[in-house]
Amino acid sequence: EVLLVESGGGLVKPGGSLRLSCAASGFTFNSFKMNWVRQAPGKGLEWVSSISSSSSYIYYADSVKGRFTISRDNAKSSLYLQMNSLRADDTAVYYCVREGYSGYPFDYWGQGTLVTVSS
Amino acid sequence: DIQMTQSPSSLSASVGDRVTITCRASQNINNYLNWYQQKPEKAPKLLIYIASTLQSGVPSRFSGSGSGTDFTLTINSLQPEDFATYYCQHSYDNPYTFGQGTKLEMK
Repeated sequence: EVLLVESGGGLVKPGGSLRLSCAASGFTFNSFKMNWVRQAPGKGLEWVSSISSSSSYIYYADSVKGRFTISRDNAKSSLYLQMNSLRADDTAVYYCVREGYSGYPFDYWGQGTLVTVSS
Repeated sequence: DIQMTQSPSSLSASVGDRVTITCRASQNINNYLNWYQQKPEKAPKLLIYIASTLQSGVPSRFSGSGSGTDFTLTINSLQPEDFATYYCQHSYDNPYTFGQGTKLEMK
């Protein structure tokens, strides 16, 4: 069974930092591209960042470019998101998401971790 | 970036109805179009990928069609568990943007 379990969310002040982690199991982690997707309270889904299986290709949404850094440790089957210079509009549930092969859909999602940026 | 526009934003229907949700891309995305279902306080779930391929385990009352820029999600014979929010998403190139969502409510 594919499992993605996020951790590291919480309350942080504007300008602060937070590191999210995602522990993956039930599949060959080092064979899949991974993503972070977020959802602000009451809003829609926003893709945040993606990283290829070997970390060779990394992409960011314009809204987080220069502030967030995605990384992975294939030996630990883990995905990370380092978030710096956090702003109130970064408040959201952050999902760790696996990208499938055929047509590149987001085929498995974690349960999400809530990040709240507030003073 | 490719923009995805869903319509309607909300929809009221009854159990047993047939409903259709549309999604339009701002440019040709071939058939790199995915549909997701999200229930309150839950993670989204993949329903359909490559425009019309049903994800394993998804009931056959769900179907998708379209190519190029215009796509549809159809739900035949609505069931109580289908009332949720639906999102389209393209996976043609980065960034893989989502539509704004369609909330399907019980009439």
